[in-house]
Amino acid sequence: DAKTTQPNSMESNEEEPVHLPCNHSTISGTDYIHWYRQLPSQGPEYVIHGLTSNVNNRMASLAIAEDRKSSTLILHRATLRDAAVYYCILREGGSQGNLIFGKGTKLSVKP
Amino acid sequence: DAGVTQSPTHLIKTRGQHVTLRCSPISGHKSVSWYQQVLGQGPQFIFQYYEKEERGRGNFPDRFSARQFPNYSSELNVNALLLGDSALYLCASSFRDSSYNEQFFGPGTRLTVL
Repeated sequence: DAKTTQPNSMESNEEEPVHLPCNHSTISGTDYIHWYRQLPSQGPEYVIHGLTSNVNNRMASLAIAEDRKSSTLILHRATLRDAAVYYCILREGGSQGNLIFGKGTKLSVKP
Repeated sequence: DAGVTQSPTHLIKTRGQHVTLRCSPISGHKSVSWYQQVLGQGPQFIFQYYEKEERGRGNFPDRFSARQFPNYSSELNVNALLLGDSALYLCASSFRDSSYNEQFFGPGTRLTVL
């Protein structure tokens, strides 16, 4: 799986939007971009994934650059519950299912 | 519906001992994966099982082994424990073993080796 680069940490204010960046310059054409997050003292949970087009779900939006070398996870209104470590992961389409985690971005949300 | 369950939640062992960790996947899920998470790091892949067969193995020594049962539950075994095996052990289940499938994680088992 190709590598991703994320900032170690970010801060946000409650009820403001948060943009979490991820660089993946060596992404291949069949790699899907997945985001998982891990709240304190819990296992990781799936957030969103996409291939080329921007994606929206109830948790977040995923904006993918036209050249696919970077992407941004967008939390539209951060809440205190969104404080977590966010992992950007590339998964080759059709490959076996294990996830390769980096260190992720630790998001702090201030009231 | 119950999520992924793991037992025990916490465990303390001494060096050289053996440990067995257990995982029950979400009903209907046939794939189980195990991950080790050392403090301050992201989870590291150990094993994946699908339909009772090993489908993938991470870079871990042979002291680590696992199996999946007919009801799709799974056990992770670690022999000859080392201090460095102290970690959070996470189990994740998915419908299949494909990268198209979202993985659902349990709360983990915190293993401390003294």
